[in-house]
Amino acid sequence: KQEVTQIPAALSVPEGENLVLNCSFTDSAIYNLQWFRQDPGKGLTSLLLIQSSQREQTSGRLNASLDKSSGRSTLYIAASQPGDSATYLCAVTTQGGSEKLVFGKGTKLTVNP
Amino acid sequence: GAVVSQHPSRVICKSGTSVKIECRSLDFQATTMFWYRQFPKKSLMLMATSNEGSKATYEQGVEKDKFLINHASLTLSTLTVTSAHPEDSSFYICSARWDRWVLAFFGQGTRLTVV
Repeated sequence: KQEVTQIPAALSVPEGENLVLNCSFTDSAIYNLQWFRQDPGKGLTSLLLIQSSQREQTSGRLNASLDKSSGRSTLYIAASQPGDSATYLCAVTTQGGSEKLVFGKGTKLTVNP
Repeated sequence: GAVVSQHPSRVICKSGTSVKIECRSLDFQATTMFWYRQFPKKSLMLMATSNEGSKATYEQGVEKDKFLINHASLTLSTLTVTSAHPEDSSFYICSARWDRWVLAFFGQGTRLTVV
């Protein structure tokens, strides 16, 4: 059974700092990995999608890496801003034809002005 | 990106009543829709997957007679929580995708409180 773990559970940083969020998964046979942003009481916004054959994806100040063999992914946020404050979720789609996303519990990020 | 609208965003109902939550794809045809549930400090958990015109596939441990899912059209899926109990209070969120897409798009979620 696929399990996704995210550390830390919460992170508070001053504005402008670069930071890294971590995600690990137990079954390396994944189809892809996604990072999402969730604002309080709101839905999910997909930030980055990494296919199993890729090692990283970049979008603006965000960079996500994937090491499938070790079951790890990181989300790097450069020059953090107060508007980046949200919960960041990592989710994997396991191979085998299933479309099911397995989510971690998320990392709650607070960027202080 | 594609837009998925979920309604209502919040609902409070009395124990024993039924509640219907709608999930609509506004600008694309959703061949597949997914329903998730998120308890406080827990992960989002998939409840069921539905394909237009066919019965939903429920995840292990999810009671299909309690959580009725209807995906009658390519733009609408509904989740009905029947005979709701306080332990059903949770955040319910849907996602939808077209069959040629890799990504699914999420609705804004529904906060259900059963009193």
